[in-house]
Amino acid sequence: DAGVIQSPRHEVTEMGQEVTLRCKPISGHDYLFWYRQTMMRGLELLIYFNNNVPIDDSGMPEDRFSAKMPNASFSTLKIQPSEPRDSAVYFCASSLSRGQGIEETQYFGPGTRLLVL
Amino acid sequence: AQTVTQSQPEMSVQEAETVTLSCTYDTSESNYYLFWYKQPPSRQMILVIRQEAYKQQNATENRFSVNFQKAAKSFSLKISDSQLGDTAMYFCAFMEYGNKLVFGAGTILRVKS
Repeated sequence: DAGVIQSPRHEVTEMGQEVTLRCKPISGHDYLFWYRQTMMRGLELLIYFNNNVPIDDSGMPEDRFSAKMPNASFSTLKIQPSEPRDSAVYFCASSLSRGQGIEETQYFGPGTRLLVL
Repeated sequence: AQTVTQSQPEMSVQEAETVTLSCTYDTSESNYYLFWYKQPPSRQMILVIRQEAYKQQNATENRFSVNFQKAAKSFSLKISDSQLGDTAMYFCAFMEYGNKLVFGAGTILRVKS
């Protein structure tokens, strides 16, 4: 399996611009997660989906952040407008539910390193 | 809320030696998973090892093994025969019911030649 795929790997943009991060989960996985990693706050869960439906978006920092999962093989995280404090590494991860309430291991993509100037 | 504590911000070890990274967690759940993830300079998050709380036997993966003490809520990682490629940030993580991973702050491990 190709693993979780994220694009772009690096993104440099100017404050105020729209940024779209993309993720393709591992085929067959029914959970998808978006995380953000910064030096100050470590790894934070932003939002996660189950079967393409957002389950918990309580970690999304502001209305400037939005995430969608139009189908089982694709998700986007959008920041509009972007700000310098959004600079971070954004990870996508996916996992397979065992269907008994105890879910399986999360596998991470390579991350997108975002720099907002 | 569940918390994960890694009390060692940085550690170093000589190549070929053994090192143990500490992790404690707090939960009232009885069924959960514990993980160690490795993050090398490339920033990729790589699963090292996983432990299921209902299993008493400690998990092992080649040179990596854990000491899982459920009553003490302790989950340490032992790396044997350390290699230069083991240099990375190591995160301990706890998975509560509902599929949320809670991460510790991480331990930077440096393997010296």
